[in-house]
Amino acid sequence: GAGVSQSPSNKVTEKGKDVELRCDPISGHTALYWYRQSLGQGLEFLIYFQGNSAPDKSGLPSDRFSAERTGGSVSTLTIQRTQQEDSAVYLCASSPSGGPAYEQYFGPGTRLTVT
Amino acid sequence: KNQVEQSPQSLIILEGKNCTLQCNYTVSPFSNLRWYKQDTGRGPVSLTIMTFSENTKSNGRYTATLDADTKQSSLHITASQLSDSASYICVVRPNDYKLSFGAGTTVTVRA
Repeated sequence: GAGVSQSPSNKVTEKGKDVELRCDPISGHTALYWYRQSLGQGLEFLIYFQGNSAPDKSGLPSDRFSAERTGGSVSTLTIQRTQQEDSAVYLCASSPSGGPAYEQYFGPGTRLTVT
Repeated sequence: KNQVEQSPQSLIILEGKNCTLQCNYTVSPFSNLRWYKQDTGRGPVSLTIMTFSENTKSNGRYTATLDADTKQSSLHITASQLSDSASYICVVRPNDYKLSFGAGTTVTVRA
């Protein structure tokens, strides 16, 4: 079956512009995660959605970052007034549930470059 | 401070040779540890998963070990192939959904 998909695969934007990154999780997966991968760093947790529960936004680095998940499926990560330090690969993952036994399946990521 | 440390940061090996990657962690409590392979431009893909009671787990030419007492894990690649060139990431999971990721070891296999 189809895996996690993300779009766009690459995004170049000017400093100060807003960007939207999209994630389509595996069908039926109730848990969805966003991570940021900077060069030479481990993946950094951003936000977690589980079903209809309130999302865990504790990893969002600033109020310029927001995310939503519509209908329990597709998710959009929005970065407002982008800064150069926002340049990174943004990865989305989904799993059947949020429990520790469930593997997280990752999408290919969106490479964001802020010039 | 990162709770998952990997070494070496990168390594180059000749095709057909073996190599071992190391992972030390301080994450507690501990639920499981996974090794992921991340090809360039792709998302990470799970290779192995080990829980507290498991010492070793194999997946083809990949063998992972875990010493939960010393909080160390290793990933051994046997008879490396060009397709093994990738970043290998050690990921430790506590009792919730927040994973702790190592920075990865970049493996380059040369013919």
